[in-house]
Amino acid sequence: DAGVTQSPTHLIKTRGQHVTLRCSPISGHKSVSWYQQVLGQGPQFIFQYYEKEERGRGNFPDRFSARQFPNYSSELNVNALLLGDSALYLCASSLGTSSPNYGYTFGSGTRLTVV
Amino acid sequence: QKEVEQNSGPLSVPEGAIASLNCTYSDRGSQSFFWYRQYSGKSPELIMFIYSNGDKEDGRFTAQLNKASQYVSLLIRDSQPSDSATYLCAVPNSGYALNFGKGTSLLVTP
Repeated sequence: DAGVTQSPTHLIKTRGQHVTLRCSPISGHKSVSWYQQVLGQGPQFIFQYYEKEERGRGNFPDRFSARQFPNYSSELNVNALLLGDSALYLCASSLGTSSPNYGYTFGSGTRLTVV
Repeated sequence: QKEVEQNSGPLSVPEGAIASLNCTYSDRGSQSFFWYRQYSGKSPELIMFIYSNGDKEDGRFTAQLNKASQYVSLLIRDSQPSDSATYLCAVPNSGYALNFGKGTSLLVTP
Protein backbone atom coordinates (compact mmCIF):
# COMPACT_ATOMS: atom_id res chain seq x y z
CA ASP A 1 0.00 0.00 0.00
CA ALA A 2 1.53 3.29 -1.11
CA GLY A 3 2.17 5.96 1.47
CA VAL A 4 1.99 9.69 0.88
CA THR A 5 3.72 10.50 -2.38
CA GLN A 6 5.09 13.90 -3.31
CA SER A 7 6.55 15.20 -6.52
CA PRO A 8 8.99 16.41 -7.55
CA THR A 9 11.57 15.43 -4.94
CA HIS A 10 13.88 18.33 -5.73
CA LEU A 11 13.34 21.58 -7.56
CA ILE A 12 15.45 24.63 -8.33
CA LYS A 13 13.68 27.85 -9.28
CA THR A 14 14.67 31.45 -9.85
CA ARG A 15 13.35 34.37 -7.80
CA GLY A 16 10.05 35.64 -9.14
CA GLN A 17 9.06 32.34 -10.73
CA HIS A 18 6.07 30.20 -9.86
CA VAL A 19 6.16 26.63 -8.56
CA THR A 20 3.61 23.83 -8.20
CA LEU A 21 4.14 20.96 -5.79
CA ARG A 22 2.02 17.82 -5.84
CA CYS A 23 0.86 15.35 -3.24
CA SER A 24 -1.10 12.10 -3.35
CA PRO A 25 -2.48 10.98 0.01
CA ILE A 26 -2.68 7.49 1.42
CA SER A 27 -5.56 5.59 -0.14
CA GLY A 28 -8.74 6.32 1.78
CA HIS A 29 -7.43 9.51 3.36
CA LYS A 30 -9.50 12.57 2.58
CA SER A 31 -7.43 15.29 4.24
CA VAL A 32 -4.16 16.76 3.04
CA SER A 33 -2.04 19.23 4.98
CA TRP A 34 0.98 21.18 3.78
CA TYR A 35 3.94 22.24 5.91
CA GLN A 36 7.07 24.26 5.20
CA GLN A 37 10.29 23.34 6.96
CA VAL A 38 13.16 25.76 6.73
CA LEU A 39 16.60 24.37 7.59
CA GLY A 40 17.09 24.21 11.34
CA GLN A 41 13.43 24.80 12.17
CA GLY A 42 10.41 22.63 12.82
CA PRO A 43 7.69 22.30 10.16
CA GLN A 44 5.33 25.27 9.88
CA PHE A 45 1.67 24.73 8.96
CA ILE A 46 0.57 26.21 5.65
CA PHE A 47 -2.82 24.67 4.72
CA GLN A 48 -5.23 21.89 5.45
CA TYR A 49 -7.71 20.68 2.84
CA TYR A 50 -10.55 18.28 3.47
CA GLU A 51 -13.10 17.16 0.91
CA LYS A 52 -11.71 19.78 -1.51
CA GLU A 53 -12.28 22.66 0.87
CA GLU A 54 -9.72 24.71 2.77
CA ARG A 55 -10.21 23.99 6.47
CA GLY A 56 -7.24 25.83 7.90
CA ARG A 57 -4.53 28.25 6.87
CA GLY A 58 -1.30 29.17 8.60
CA ASN A 59 0.46 32.50 8.69
CA PHE A 60 1.68 32.57 5.10
CA PRO A 61 1.25 35.30 2.46
CA ASP A 62 -1.27 35.13 -0.35
CA ARG A 63 1.50 34.04 -2.70
CA PHE A 64 0.83 30.60 -1.27
CA SER A 65 -2.27 28.79 -2.46
CA ALA A 66 -3.45 25.22 -2.69
CA ARG A 67 -6.27 23.09 -3.91
CA GLN A 68 -7.53 19.56 -3.55
CA PHE A 69 -8.93 17.46 -6.36
CA PRO A 70 -11.83 14.98 -6.39
CA ASN A 71 -9.36 12.09 -5.97
CA TYR A 72 -8.07 13.87 -2.81
CA SER A 73 -4.66 14.65 -4.30
CA SER A 74 -3.46 18.19 -3.76
CA GLU A 75 -1.31 20.91 -5.25
CA LEU A 76 0.55 23.66 -3.46
CA ASN A 77 1.30 26.72 -5.55
CA VAL A 78 3.73 29.47 -4.70
CA ASN A 79 3.92 32.63 -6.81
CA ALA A 80 6.64 35.26 -7.05
CA LEU A 81 9.22 33.08 -5.35
CA LEU A 82 11.57 34.64 -2.82
CA LEU A 83 14.90 33.33 -1.60
CA GLY A 84 13.23 32.73 1.77
CA ASP A 85 10.85 30.24 0.20
CA SER A 86 13.72 27.78 -0.05
CA ALA A 87 12.67 24.93 2.20
CA LEU A 88 11.47 21.35 2.46
CA TYR A 89 7.76 21.25 1.69
CA LEU A 90 5.96 18.43 3.41
CA CYS A 91 2.59 16.94 2.69
CA ALA A 92 0.69 14.96 5.30
CA SER A 93 -2.45 12.95 4.76
CA SER A 94 -5.02 11.90 7.30
CA LEU A 95 -8.51 10.44 7.47
CA GLY A 96 -10.26 13.54 8.71
CA THR A 97 -9.76 17.11 9.78
CA SER A 98 -9.11 16.34 13.41
CA SER A 99 -6.30 14.02 12.58
CA PRO A 100 -3.61 16.26 14.08
CA ASN A 101 -4.94 14.90 17.33
CA TYR A 102 -3.78 11.45 16.26
CA GLY A 103 -0.57 12.31 14.42
CA TYR A 104 0.32 12.57 10.77
CA THR A 105 1.98 10.47 8.16
CA PHE A 106 4.25 12.71 6.12
CA GLY A 107 5.38 12.26 2.57
CA SER A 108 9.08 12.35 1.73
CA GLY A 109 8.85 16.03 0.86
CA THR A 110 9.89 18.33 -1.95
CA ARG A 111 13.15 20.22 -1.51
CA LEU A 112 12.72 23.65 -3.14
CA THR A 113 15.73 25.83 -3.74
CA VAL A 114 15.20 29.40 -4.94
CA VAL A 115 18.23 31.09 -6.48
CA GLN B 1 -0.56 30.55 19.38
CA LYS B 2 0.54 27.41 21.16
CA GLU B 3 4.28 27.68 21.61
CA VAL B 4 6.49 24.63 21.83
CA GLU B 5 10.04 25.00 23.08
CA GLN B 6 12.92 22.58 22.69
CA ASN B 7 16.64 22.82 23.32
CA SER B 8 18.23 22.63 19.86
CA GLY B 9 21.24 20.69 21.15
CA PRO B 10 23.16 18.86 19.95
CA LEU B 11 22.70 16.34 22.72
CA SER B 12 25.51 13.81 22.67
CA VAL B 13 25.22 10.50 24.49
CA PRO B 14 27.38 7.35 24.33
CA GLU B 15 25.99 4.17 22.83
CA GLY B 16 23.95 2.21 25.36
CA ALA B 17 23.11 5.24 27.52
CA ILE B 18 19.71 6.83 28.12
CA ALA B 19 18.97 9.91 26.02
CA SER B 20 16.56 12.38 27.58
CA LEU B 21 14.84 14.93 25.34
CA ASN B 22 12.64 17.66 26.76
CA CYS B 23 9.88 19.89 25.47
CA THR B 24 7.83 22.61 27.15
CA TYR B 25 4.55 24.04 25.89
CA SER B 26 2.69 27.25 26.54
CA ASP B 27 -0.99 26.28 26.40
CA ARG B 28 -2.14 24.65 29.63
CA GLY B 29 -5.19 23.34 27.76
CA SER B 30 -3.16 21.18 25.38
CA GLN B 31 -4.34 17.59 25.53
CA SER B 32 -2.10 15.55 23.27
CA PHE B 33 1.58 15.57 22.47
CA PHE B 34 3.64 14.01 19.73
CA TRP B 35 7.25 13.08 19.20
CA TYR B 36 8.59 12.84 15.66
CA ARG B 37 12.00 11.65 14.59
CA GLN B 38 13.63 13.23 11.55
CA TYR B 39 16.78 11.91 9.97
CA SER B 40 18.89 14.38 8.05
CA GLY B 41 17.34 15.09 4.65
CA LYS B 42 14.26 12.99 5.40
CA SER B 43 10.69 13.74 6.46
CA PRO B 44 9.45 13.50 10.08
CA GLU B 45 8.29 10.11 11.31
CA LEU B 46 5.82 9.74 14.21
CA ILE B 47 7.36 7.66 16.99
CA MET B 48 5.27 8.40 20.09
CA PHE B 49 2.16 10.20 21.22
CA ILE B 50 0.81 10.72 24.72
CA TYR B 51 -2.47 12.06 26.10
CA SER B 52 -2.42 11.30 29.80
CA ASN B 53 -0.20 12.37 32.64
CA GLY B 54 2.51 9.89 33.47
CA ASP B 55 4.57 7.58 31.33
CA LYS B 56 3.90 5.75 28.09
CA GLU B 57 6.34 3.09 26.97
CA ASP B 58 6.90 1.65 23.50
CA GLY B 59 9.95 -0.52 23.13
CA ARG B 60 13.05 1.53 23.95
CA PHE B 61 11.03 4.76 23.94
CA THR B 62 9.22 6.27 26.92
CA ALA B 63 7.19 9.46 26.75
CA GLN B 64 6.58 11.31 30.00
CA LEU B 65 3.92 13.98 30.41
CA ASN B 66 3.60 16.42 33.29
CA LYS B 67 0.67 18.73 32.62
CA ALA B 68 1.08 20.67 35.85
CA SER B 69 4.60 21.68 34.85
CA GLN B 70 3.74 21.82 31.14
CA TYR B 71 6.52 19.64 29.89
CA VAL B 72 6.78 16.42 27.97
CA SER B 73 9.89 14.29 27.71
CA LEU B 74 11.13 11.48 25.52
CA LEU B 75 13.53 8.92 26.94
CA ILE B 76 15.44 6.59 24.66
CA ARG B 77 16.95 3.62 26.48
CA ASP B 78 19.97 1.71 25.21
CA SER B 79 20.68 4.45 22.66
CA GLN B 80 22.07 3.28 19.33
CA PRO B 81 23.97 5.23 16.66
CA SER B 82 20.91 4.71 14.45
CA ASP B 83 18.95 6.88 16.91
CA SER B 84 21.05 9.88 15.85
CA ALA B 85 18.49 12.27 14.41
CA THR B 86 16.50 15.39 15.21
CA TYR B 87 13.55 14.83 17.53
CA LEU B 88 10.57 17.14 17.10
CA CYS B 89 7.92 17.77 19.74
CA ALA B 90 4.46 18.79 18.47
CA VAL B 91 1.14 19.95 19.90
CA PRO B 92 -2.21 20.18 18.05
CA ASN B 93 -3.37 23.73 17.35
CA SER B 94 -6.89 24.78 16.40
CA GLY B 95 -7.87 21.21 15.58
CA TYR B 96 -6.36 21.15 12.11
CA ALA B 97 -2.66 21.81 12.51
CA LEU B 98 0.33 20.77 14.55
CA ASN B 99 2.68 23.26 16.17
CA PHE B 100 6.20 21.90 16.12
CA GLY B 101 9.19 22.86 18.18
CA LYS B 102 12.50 23.52 16.47
CA GLY B 103 13.71 20.06 17.36
CA THR B 104 16.59 18.65 19.38
CA SER B 105 19.52 17.12 17.56
CA LEU B 106 20.66 13.85 19.15
CA LEU B 107 24.05 12.29 18.45
CA VAL B 108 24.76 8.80 19.76
CA THR B 109 28.46 8.07 19.69
CA PRO B 110 29.82 4.50 19.39
